[in-house]
Amino acid sequence: GDSVTQMEGPVTLSEEAFLTINCTYTATGYPSLFWYVQYPGEGLQLLLKATKADDKGSNKGFEATYRKETTSFHLEKGSVQVSDSAVYFCALRPRSNTGNQFYFGTGTSLTVIP
Amino acid sequence: DTAVSQTPKYLVTQMGNDKSIKCEQNLGHDTMYWYKQDSKKFLKIMFSYNNKELIINETVPNRFSPKSPDKAHLNLHINSLELGDSAVYFCASSQDQRQGLSDTQYFGPGTRLTVL
Repeated sequence: GDSVTQMEGPVTLSEEAFLTINCTYTATGYPSLFWYVQYPGEGLQLLLKATKADDKGSNKGFEATYRKETTSFHLEKGSVQVSDSAVYFCALRPRSNTGNQFYFGTGTSLTVIP
Repeated sequence: DTAVSQTPKYLVTQMGNDKSIKCEQNLGHDTMYWYKQDSKKFLKIMFSYNNKELIINETVPNRFSPKSPDKAHLNLHINSLELGDSAVYFCASSQDQRQGLSDTQYFGPGTRLTVL
């Protein structure tokens, strides 16, 4: 079945460090892929998305590229800030005639220290 | 304007009580969802619902029931609350994928339920 596997946390980085959070997926066909961010005490917000192979989603300095050959959608940011401290969720939505289901990873907690 | 709203934000109650959490979306979406997030931030789908079908995660106890008075609302009713029901509950909505429109899911701010 469809699923998402993401890097376990927690991750702690110093400010201005490079961030990578790995995400791989299992799905038939060409799903849409998402990264959501959850700041403390808040709901999930869409961070970026990609809907087809080789698409790059980007927002707020974060990027992720849809890699069909490796079934991956890793999240990267070149220089993290304290305000990036949050939980990050990778997710997919299958392309099908029946599905309105979303599949989320287990979340990766990021703490950025000054 | 808030896209997906939930009330209450916090809910503290005794074991055995019945409670409801309300959710409303003003995005014109066809499909709404309820998720449960545990203390480790793991997100578990409970229900997805549109006008035509209710999909229930089979691991969800039948004490939980979604109620939809109209397309913009999906309330969560919980009977006989138990200690293990304590969690944060999120409502979400999206367009029906079969309409070929935006496939992004939008979340409410969450309801923190504490069962004593």
